Amino acid sequence: ETGVTQSPTHLIKTRGQQVTLRCSSQSGHNTVSWYQQALGQGPQFIFQYYREEENGRGNFPPRFSGLQFPNYSSELNVNALELDDSALYLCASRSQGAWDNTEAFFGQGTRLTVV
Amino acid sequence: AQSVTQPDIHITVSEGASLELRCNYSYGATPYLFWYVQSPGQGLQLLLKYFSGDTLVQGIKGFEAEFKRSQSSFNLRKPSVHWSDAAEYFCAVWGDFGNEKLTFGTGTRLTIIP
Repeated sequence: ETGVTQSPTHLIKTRGQQVTLRCSSQSGHNTVSWYQQALGQGPQFIFQYYREEENGRGNFPPRFSGLQFPNYSSELNVNALELDDSALYLCASRSQGAWDNTEAFFGQGTRLTVV
Repeated sequence: AQSVTQPDIHITVSEGASLELRCNYSYGATPYLFWYVQSPGQGLQLLLKYFSGDTLVQGIKGFEAEFKRSQSSFNLRKPSVHWSDAAEYFCAVWGDFGNEKLTFGTGTRLTIIP
């Protein structure tokens, strides 16, 4: 177990609705990244937060947004849900720094189904 | 832009047999390379990583990987697989300074038969 917890584990939403996914980072980690993993695909980077600021973003539209709180937990918000947003959403936390000195720990993910 | 190719979508191996999962990357300089494993319903667990130095990297659960710059490859190996190794395996690369993202391949699903 990594210490990164995500909630909820599963949820079903209707097209056009909005959803908020939550991530509690591992103790001591100040950087949180979010990934989308569609069925049969590898994870795709959505964005990353460091000290409550977004400091990296992948090729996702603005209706994907996020927040990071002072305790380093994070939220992923998706507006105007589309059927293609159905996926496993993974959160990863790590300490800021070079990748050779840190490791990203992933949560178990939230399975989002849009109908 | 960095990219990763895992040419094998699905591999079936007998328990006790050796395993090699292929990974090819595209990046101009020396990349940081990772192998992750994902069991059903689980998140990703880091098996091993390569940054520099010795090109043969040892990881957890008896896995190792070899970085070959001339072939742009980072193949994962295990001398003898166990039924518990059945999972999805992802190769990933990071090398884009200023952008924190990991770029993953599409994964290789490993099935173990008795």
